[in-house]
Amino acid sequence: AQKITQTQPGMFVQEKEAVTLDCTYDTSDPSYGLFWYKQPSSGEMIFLIYQGSYDQQNATEGRYSLNFQKARKSANLVISASQLGDSAMYFCAMREGAGGYNKLIFGAGTRLAVHP
Amino acid sequence: DTGVSQDPRHKITKRGQNVTFRCDPISEHNRLYWYRQTLGQGPEFLTYFQNEAQLEKSRLLSDRFSAERPKGSFSTLEIQRTEQGDSAMYLCASSQARGQVVDDTQYFGPGTRLTVL
Repeated sequence: AQKITQTQPGMFVQEKEAVTLDCTYDTSDPSYGLFWYKQPSSGEMIFLIYQGSYDQQNATEGRYSLNFQKARKSANLVISASQLGDSAMYFCAMREGAGGYNKLIFGAGTRLAVHP
Repeated sequence: DTGVSQDPRHKITKRGQNVTFRCDPISEHNRLYWYRQTLGQGPEFLTYFQNEAQLEKSRLLSDRFSAERPKGSFSTLEIQRTEQGDSAMYLCASSQARGQVVDDTQYFGPGTRLTVL
């Protein structure tokens, strides 16, 4: 069964606008972590934001925020005030367990294009 | 620069040859991971070390693959008798585990892109 689903292969947004990238996940473990990474064409995976399953508030990091809806098992990434440099692949990932079982399971990614 | 580094960045080899990649994690990180990413896909987990101990290996890691982290610092990933299906980006990541801390964020290196002809 697919654990991380990113249903948007590609998205585009106008510069300075906000965009939401979708991510749904599947797990029966009550303790898990959700991550978003950005991968520019250079190939490096850049950590953006983290949400723990027990966190009461949605995570925010600068222009990035995570819309965490636990009952719906969704963890959408919101990028506000898009910039040209935000054009990249974006991956949602999940770690099951409380840190003792550490591998990340990634979705297939969403390619974001920011237009001037 | 104190991030994760990988060497080489690109490797082109002929089928049947052996290749070895190196990863240097962030210096205070005790956990190290290897992932493989093929075109158009997200990374897939291969193996992970805590200090020098290899604690988990994926079924993707066939007997042609071996990974080591001899002194709990840098790690090497060797592929023997390479096949065209091994062509991929090989990513290394590291993290710091502290007791029961749940936020075990993995930081990735730039990757080694392998092309098997």
